[in-house]
Amino acid sequence: AQKVTQAQTEISVVEKEDVTLDCVYETRDTTYYLFWYKQPPSGELVFLIRRNSFDEQNEISGRYSWNFQKSTSSFNFTITASQVVDSAVYFCALSDTNTGNQFYFGTGTSLTVIP
Amino acid sequence: DAGITQSPRYKITETGRQVTLMCHQTWSHSYMFWYRQDLGHGLRLIYYSAAADITDKGEVPDGYVVSRSKTENFPLTLESATRSQTSVYFCASSEPYSGANVLTFGAGSRLTVL
Repeated sequence: AQKVTQAQTEISVVEKEDVTLDCVYETRDTTYYLFWYKQPPSGELVFLIRRNSFDEQNEISGRYSWNFQKSTSSFNFTITASQVVDSAVYFCALSDTNTGNQFYFGTGTSLTVIP
Repeated sequence: DAGITQSPRYKITETGRQVTLMCHQTWSHSYMFWYRQDLGHGLRLIYYSAAADITDKGEVPDGYVVSRSKTENFPLTLESATRSQTSVYFCASSEPYSGANVLTFGAGSRLTVL
């Protein structure tokens, strides 16, 4: 069965600190996609990144970076030099081709960046 | 405007009443989804649709009905609202056949059942 686990429910950091949000997934499929979404206090869900199961290259986008490791079934998200605007709930999600294109979400990690 | 729109954004109703949440997308995406978001549960899939006239249950379908007579619309109906259905509801769409397959969300509908 497909499952996404975000063990960190809430994280607080002081501005300019680095923070890593953990995501562990379960799937029996060999072809799947992993995602991160951001939900700021305004409530909308914003797409951040998609990664397919055949691409284990880490990705960096500005202060954001993602570490995909198939060996540990993890897709962790790091924010470098955090800012107050990074305060949000972050969701990790999994989609595969064998379950009707469903997307499975973790329960989210609430990040608070303290100025 | 292009995108995915939900209406109403806020709704207060009473137990036992029927409520319909509307969702409209302009991209002609084949897949559409309804999620509910509750504290401690994240986003849970209620129903999804692979195309017009094709719908299927998600994780928490009880008490909800959907239809999809047109590709662009995917309304969600609570036939007899209960307090446990108080939640924020998100509609989303995706197009897996384009290669992008990113789930794009509407702004959400906050429903309160008294």
